[in-house]
Order: sequence, then C-alpha cells, then structure tokens
Amino acid sequence: SQQGEEDPQALSIQEGENATMNCSYKTSINNLQWYRQNSGRGLVHLILIRSNEREKHSGRLRVTLDTSKKSSSLLITASRAADTASYFCATDSGGSYIPTFGRGTSLIVHP
Amino acid sequence: GAVVSQHPSRVICKSGTSVKIECRSLDFQATTMFWYRQFPKQSLMLMATSNEGSKATYEQGVEKDKFLINHASLTLSTLTVTSAHPEDSSFYICSAQAAATTYEQYFGPGTRLTVT
Repeated sequence: SQQGEEDPQALSIQEGENATMNCSYKTSINNLQWYRQNSGRGLVHLILIRSNEREKHSGRLRVTLDTSKKSSSLLITASRAADTASYFCATDSGGSYIPTFGRGTSLIVHP
Repeated sequence: GAVVSQHPSRVICKSGTSVKIECRSLDFQATTMFWYRQFPKQSLMLMATSNEGSKATYEQGVEKDKFLINHASLTLSTLTVTSAHPEDSSFYICSAQAAATTYEQYFGPGTRLTVT
C-alpha cells in the first residue's frame, strides 16, 4: 500500500513565486525522500531527511519533517519554469531500504 | 553522480510478442536493482527487486512468469515482458542501489512500452 500521499495533486504558479508541496504518511518511518520527475523521464533524487531531522536545505529547496504529524513539506523558492515537473515523496520504514512512493504533485511554473 | 541507463527508451510491439528492457549502471556496481511500473499521472509501483546472481523478489500481484527479471552481473539487469498484451502498456523504470545499506537509489530514464 502507498505510504506517502502528496498534496496538492497539482500546483500552478508564476515564475518567481514559491511552491510548497506536502506529503503525509501513515506509519513511522526511518527516512523520507523527495524526488523529481520530468515528463516521461526517470526520477532524480532531491533530498533525504532522516526521522530525527526536522529541516534540510539544498539550494532553493527546503524540506521539513514533522514526525508528530507524520508529514513533510517541500518548498521551492523563487521558482523557475525549469522546475516544472512532478514531485514525489518516498518513505521507508522498518528494516527495508526500499522506499514507497506517493502519487506525486504535478507542478507547473509559468514563465 | 551515478548514472543508470535503460534501453530501449521507447518500444512498440504487437500483442503476443516479448519485449526485453535493459537496465545498466554505467559507473558503479549495483548490488540491487529495482523495477517499477508507472501509469500516467500515477505513482511508481514496485514490481520486483533483483540482486546479482539470485532470483528476483516479486511484489504481491506481479506475475513472475510474465515479467522475467535477470540480474546477470553487477551492472546489468533485464526485464522481459513475455506475451505482451495492451494492458502491459506502461512506463517501466529501473533503479539501482550501490550497496545494500544505502537508501540512495539511482533511476534510469525509463522505457515507454506500447503494445498494440
């Protein structure tokens, strides 16, 4: 069964605006990862955040994790048209290193 | 960074034929490779996990006789869709892990299979 569920399913913004995507999950996790997928392509790993971490940054990306609410958010600041893609969260739990993916958020950034 | 390739990127085949998709780790040895299936606007569904030199572990509901997986070396895994039907049309993505104790997965670019 799917662990992470992203919200919103679709997001449309103007270039320069910030984009926030959320991921909620059901059971305790070891790690949560965010991936990006351009249309018809494979996935690109963005950030991994461990269950004992609360926030991580990478360039224009900021990921937060709230284990009490079983949720994570991905913030893309100063978005660009090239950020247009689908973004997936993936969680792993127990002794498994295999992440389970959510349905993704489709982000469109209009130039 | 680590690169994973897939071949072919697109394939169209007739119903009843078999199709082989290759997944290669180009600059690292992959102890484990994963095969996913993705329907339009849907999540990735893990089909099977394969370790070099051993039989693949299939997820529940995935027919192992229909989706044959071979992981012959530390840099190559193949997925063969046997007796393909139109409902097998999908986007197939592989990924590779460099070690059994890492969460980092490197994804291939995917293969679009269309069965007519």
